[in-house]
Amino acid sequence: EVQLVESGGGLVQPGGSLRLSCAASGFSFGSYGMSWVRQAPGKGLEWVSYIGGIISSIYYADSVKGRFTISRDNAKDSLYLQMNSLRAEDTAVYYCARDSDGSARVNYFDYWGQGTLVTVSS
Amino acid sequence: DFVMTQSPDSLAVSLGERATINCKSSQSVFFGSNNKNYLAWYQQKPGQPPKLLIYWASTRESGVPDRFGGSGSGTDFTLTISSLQAEDVAVYYCQQYYGTPSFGPGTKVDIK
Repeated sequence: EVQLVESGGGLVQPGGSLRLSCAASGFSFGSYGMSWVRQAPGKGLEWVSYIGGIISSIYYADSVKGRFTISRDNAKDSLYLQMNSLRAEDTAVYYCARDSDGSARVNYFDYWGQGTLVTVSS
Repeated sequence: DFVMTQSPDSLAVSLGERATINCKSSQSVFFGSNNKNYLAWYQQKPGQPPKLLIYWASTRESGVPDRFGGSGSGTDFTLTISSLQAEDVAVYYCQQYYGTPSFGPGTKVDIK
């Protein structure tokens, strides 16, 4: 069974940093691209970042480019999101999502974690 | 950038009746080389993550009931729930993955 478990969320002040983690199990982690998708309270879904599986291409949404860094450790079956210079508008539930394949492009997301809440507030 | 819109914002349908949700992309998501539309549909129930229902505009994900159907091509797409069940109450999102992925704003489905 595919499982994705996020951690690392919490309350942080504007301008601060946070590192999210996603522990994967139940599939060959290194063979799949992975994304972070966020959802502000009561709002819709926003794709944040992607890292390829077989080919480690990396993409970011314009809203986080230069502030967030995605990475993965295939030996640990883990995905990460380093978030710096956080703003109030980054407040959201952050989901880890598995891409449908390991190609060097973002496709649709066939498995999602339960999410971790990041709150940016003073 | 691909801007996705959905209509209606919300709808209430009687149990057993049909629910229809529309999704429109600002640019075509059809790729002629493989004859595929890069469009997916998700269902999100309160307090839960999104769940994949449909990909390539009309391919049902494994385990998804056949009352869910996707159709359309190019810029205009439809998700149809042929016979609404109580467990279908949720918000439904479309997503294009032709370019940088983007989601529609969502359509909330309730029981009338």
